[in-house]
Amino acid sequence: NAGVTQTPKFRILKIGQSMTLQCTQDMNHNYMYWYRQDPGMGLKLIYYSVGAGITDKGEVPNGYNVSRSTTEDFPLRLELAAPSQTSVYFCASSGTSGGTSYNEQFFGPGTRLTVL
Amino acid sequence: AQSVTQLDSQVPVFEEAPVELRCNYSSSVSVYLFWYVQYPNQGLQLLLKYLSGSTLVKGINGFEAEFNKSQTSFHLRKPSVHISDTAEYFCAVSDRPGYSTLTFGKGTMLLVSP
Repeated sequence: NAGVTQTPKFRILKIGQSMTLQCTQDMNHNYMYWYRQDPGMGLKLIYYSVGAGITDKGEVPNGYNVSRSTTEDFPLRLELAAPSQTSVYFCASSGTSGGTSYNEQFFGPGTRLTVL
Repeated sequence: AQSVTQLDSQVPVFEEAPVELRCNYSSSVSVYLFWYVQYPNQGLQLLLKYLSGSTLVKGINGFEAEFNKSQTSFHLRKPSVHISDTAEYFCAVSDRPGYSTLTFGKGTMLLVSP
């Protein structure tokens, strides 16, 4: 299993540009999450999804959109990039079944985004 | 809403010394606690978790943590650290054992020197 994969690894955007951060998991997890990580601030939840077709806002959703058309994919869309969106973005997933992975979130390697 | 406070932003320590990274959480009827580690330029990896049962939880790489309900703490410990333990450590909390969002602390950078 590849686990959680994210593309791209790095990206530089100009103010006002748009882009989609891709996230895919191959663990058949129902739940998926998007976080942003800023220095000294920990991780903040942007959006999450409890299954295909269902998404909800987290703590910092402004300026972002998500969709969940399949169990595997959970893309994050930035429509009008702003310097405040410069951050490292992490996608994560978690399963609902019992066992050792219960309630554990598995993280992707991250996308480092700079908006200039 | 849940909250997590990691009292130290950075902890320097010498190799083979013991270490404790502190974590306090806001009180709730039920609480489920986690420690994650992030090595440089990588995603987060689960170290250990407390869902129920014994208050002393053992995790990977020789780390352990103790859930203290009266002090609302979940401190992470290791009796002897290695250079390879240099990383950022995040404490996180949720209020449900099943599906839930996690609230993270701001992280503690553990710096192990020879």
